[in-house]
Amino acid sequence: AQTVTQSQPEMSVQEAETVTLSCTYDTSESDYYLFWYKQPPSRQMILVIRQEAYKQQNATENRFSVNFQKAAKSFSLKISDSQLGDAAMYFCAYRSAANRDDKIIFGKGTRLHILP
Amino acid sequence: AAGVIQSPRHLIKEKRETATLKCYPIPRHDTVYWYQQGPGQDPQFLISFYEKMQSDKGSIPDRFSAQQFSDYHSELNMSSLELGDSALYFCASTLGPRGGPDTQYFGPGTRLTVL
Repeated sequence: AQTVTQSQPEMSVQEAETVTLSCTYDTSESDYYLFWYKQPPSRQMILVIRQEAYKQQNATENRFSVNFQKAAKSFSLKISDSQLGDAAMYFCAYRSAANRDDKIIFGKGTRLHILP
Repeated sequence: AAGVIQSPRHLIKEKRETATLKCYPIPRHDTVYWYQQGPGQDPQFLISFYEKMQSDKGSIPDRFSAQQFSDYHSELNMSSLELGDSALYFCASTLGPRGGPDTQYFGPGTRLTVL
């Protein structure tokens, strides 16, 4: 079974600085998708960024980028120029690309604090 | 753009009562997923439907049932509620064949409190 591990329960970063959230996963599959979701205090689940495993190029979305290391099964999220609105719980997530298994498996989350 | 709609947003029930949660997917989305997020926990997959048929099942109690209707909206029915059922229930939707590249988009969630 696939698992997602986020080893940092909480992190803090100064406003305007850069922070990296770590995520590792375990799977025997070769084709899958990886995601970072943001859950602010409103508890809405917001997609931040997504990576297809077959793509070597790291995904980027404005201030958010990932470092995808397929061999190491690592998928970290870098937030540049941190803003107060980035304060939230961040979940790393995995989804198989196999035909009949497409539920999302989440990590335990990393709570990110932004210090003004 | 239209998003996933869930109703009600908040629900308070007594133990042993029943509850029905509704999910209206993004227009044209044919696949719906239900997740349960307990306090301080990550979301856990409950059940999913594709084209009105159950397609996958996770750790959903037997007291819960769900279905997807012809207009693709879905309902999660919960009976004999227990204190431990208090959680945020998310619905997510996507379009496309199973295992396809489409992203699951989440609704705002229904916060269920069981007293």
